Amino acid sequence: DADVTQTPRNRITKTGKRIMLECSQTKGHDRMYWYRQDPGLGLRLIYYSFDVKDINKGEISDGYSVSRQAQAKFSLSLESAIPNQTALYFCATSDLQVGSTDTQYFGPGTRLTVL
Amino acid sequence: DQQVKQNSPSLSVQEGRISILNCDYTNSMFDYFLWYKKYPAEGPTFLISISSIKDKNEDGRFTVFLNKSAKHLSLHIVPSQPGDSAVYFCAASLVDSNYQLIWGAGTKLIIKP
Repeated sequence: DADVTQTPRNRITKTGKRIMLECSQTKGHDRMYWYRQDPGLGLRLIYYSFDVKDINKGEISDGYSVSRQAQAKFSLSLESAIPNQTALYFCATSDLQVGSTDTQYFGPGTRLTVL
Repeated sequence: DQQVKQNSPSLSVQEGRISILNCDYTNSMFDYFLWYKKYPAEGPTFLISISSIKDKNEDGRFTVFLNKSAKHLSLHIVPSQPGDSAVYFCAASLVDSNYQLIWGAGTKLIIKP
């Protein structure tokens, strides 16, 4: 079984609709992240959470919200989807080790299309 | 303002030869640099990293070189194999920013048989 799962894998929706993307992990990591990827661009951080009570905005949080329901679950919501939110969305987890960097483990991604 | 740049969108290499992927950065305060590999329809997977206090790190066929004076790092794959065909992302982290990763745009590596 995959360590980081994302649902749905693909979603087509219309402008103005509310959408929720879900992420679950079995790695036991405290840190979780949401990224989006657009063609020709690297991954850009939307939100991140270092534990259940800690939520932080990333580089591009406008138009998005998140909920950390448990250590293993981190969901991303688009309150009112717009076409420029069409992108590939990735969830990631990490477990920062002392003396090392924050190696992140990614889910398979959700391809979201907003018409 | 792109802090991490991968200027080659794609690279084609013959199987068995060396693949060299390049990455430039602007922030001299980055603490770690990482390379990730991504296949279609999958999430990125961690490949190799290097601390800013080192100039080389090796793991099997993969070696990362860091040139701090030039603010440049490169990933060498020797020998290149068909399964290496993927998109490679360079990323950098800052301890002062809780190790948030700043990503390059990626380079698509194609290994020709």
